[in-house]
Amino acid sequence: SAVISQKPSRDICQRGTSLTIQCQVDSQVTMMFWYRQQPGQSLTLIATANQGSEATYESGFVIDKFPISRPNLTFSTLTVSNMSPEDSSIYLCSVEAAGGFQETQYFGPGTRLLVL
Amino acid sequence: QKEVEQDPGPLSVPEGAIVSLNCTYSNSAFQYFMWYRQYSRKGPELLMYTYSSGNKEDGRFTAQVDKSSKYISLFIRDSQPSDSATYLCAMRGGYQKVTFGTGTKLQVIP
Repeated sequence: SAVISQKPSRDICQRGTSLTIQCQVDSQVTMMFWYRQQPGQSLTLIATANQGSEATYESGFVIDKFPISRPNLTFSTLTVSNMSPEDSSIYLCSVEAAGGFQETQYFGPGTRLLVL
Repeated sequence: QKEVEQDPGPLSVPEGAIVSLNCTYSNSAFQYFMWYRQYSRKGPELLMYTYSSGNKEDGRFTAQVDKSSKYISLFIRDSQPSDSATYLCAMRGGYQKVTFGTGTKLQVIP
């Protein structure tokens, strides 16, 4: 299994500002995923981050709005830029289990973001 | 139509009851089926994983997949207050990304 921590656990931000969320894993992993979880909606994949390459974004998400860094095999950051109230959500970091099977994903505790 | 449909609940049952949680899906390419449990203010944790059709049992939990009906279920026997959480179904086919249901909130009343 993998133990994932995220910082901050929660934040309240003003419209127009940016927030960077950190994700730390206790073991080296190839692929890291960033999800958004909004009330009443399913987990939505924002992007997949591989170490040493550009993140791959899903439809509806762009790098200018959600820049991602992946400097090594245990760490990643997601920045939510130029925030609006619609960005209020829970943001989750996830990694795949050892062995490379995406179906056995592990999730961090999430970052609860409220944009005023 | 959503690819994965899941009744949001909330579902409230007395302690000791048998709980049935269900999801339907439309994508016939899905082969891997998962159930995640998410406690309040926590990230989802993998509970059960099933490949293709059939049943899988793990303690008080049984996962069923009926690919012909595009229907999956999670049964919880002898439910406990500690089972109170939101249960997310998830599925994928091949190397596709995982698609999640919206989650069913379960409350087990002592």
